[in-house]
Amino acid sequence: GAGVSQSPRYKVAKRGQDVALRCDPISGHVSLFWYQQALGQGPEFLTYFQNEAQLDKSGLPSDRFFAERPEGSVSTLKIQRTQQEDSAVYLCASSRSQETQYFGPGTRLLVL
Amino acid sequence: GQNIDQPTEMTATEGAIVQINCTYQTSGFNGLFWYQQHAGEAPTFLSYNVLDGLEEKGRFSSFLSRSKGYSYLLLKELQMKDSASYLCAVRSYSGAGSYQLTFGKGTKLSVIP
Repeated sequence: GAGVSQSPRYKVAKRGQDVALRCDPISGHVSLFWYQQALGQGPEFLTYFQNEAQLDKSGLPSDRFFAERPEGSVSTLKIQRTQQEDSAVYLCASSRSQETQYFGPGTRLLVL
Repeated sequence: GQNIDQPTEMTATEGAIVQINCTYQTSGFNGLFWYQQHAGEAPTFLSYNVLDGLEEKGRFSSFLSRSKGYSYLLLKELQMKDSASYLCAVRSYSGAGSYQLTFGKGTKLSVIP
């Protein structure tokens, strides 16, 4: 079946621009996670949804980062007033409840 | 907090066996995962251990010792396509109604002819 998909795959933004990154999880997966992965590092947790409820946003680095999943399926990660340090790959993962997480291909964000 | 250590880089020969170690310190441990990540691609799930011992899956095996905070991933009959980063990740209860995955920095494995 179809895996996790993310769009866009690549995004170049000027410093100060707002960006929106989309994640389509595997159908039927109630849990959805966002991670940030810097070059040469492992993914770092940003936030977690169970259906439409955002149960954990402890990893969001600042109030410029906002995530939503209004209908319990597609999720959007929004970054306002992007900074150069936001440049990274943003990974989305989904799972059935608390089981194994399956990752999407990521969105590579470059802030100039 | 969580702390996960794994070697930064390893090199091994095609056809050989390689063991990638991972040590961790965590509270609320609820399982250890290994993922493979090729450059520019998504991490893909390899194995999961929640109890002590060895889990075998084809050419890949993973071992866990909870008392020692230690795991390893064993890759047998190495192939060139196994060149990738291998990520050790610990799942723990975050206290916010969710289990978080905390990743190590990854071990970049290079398989040479």
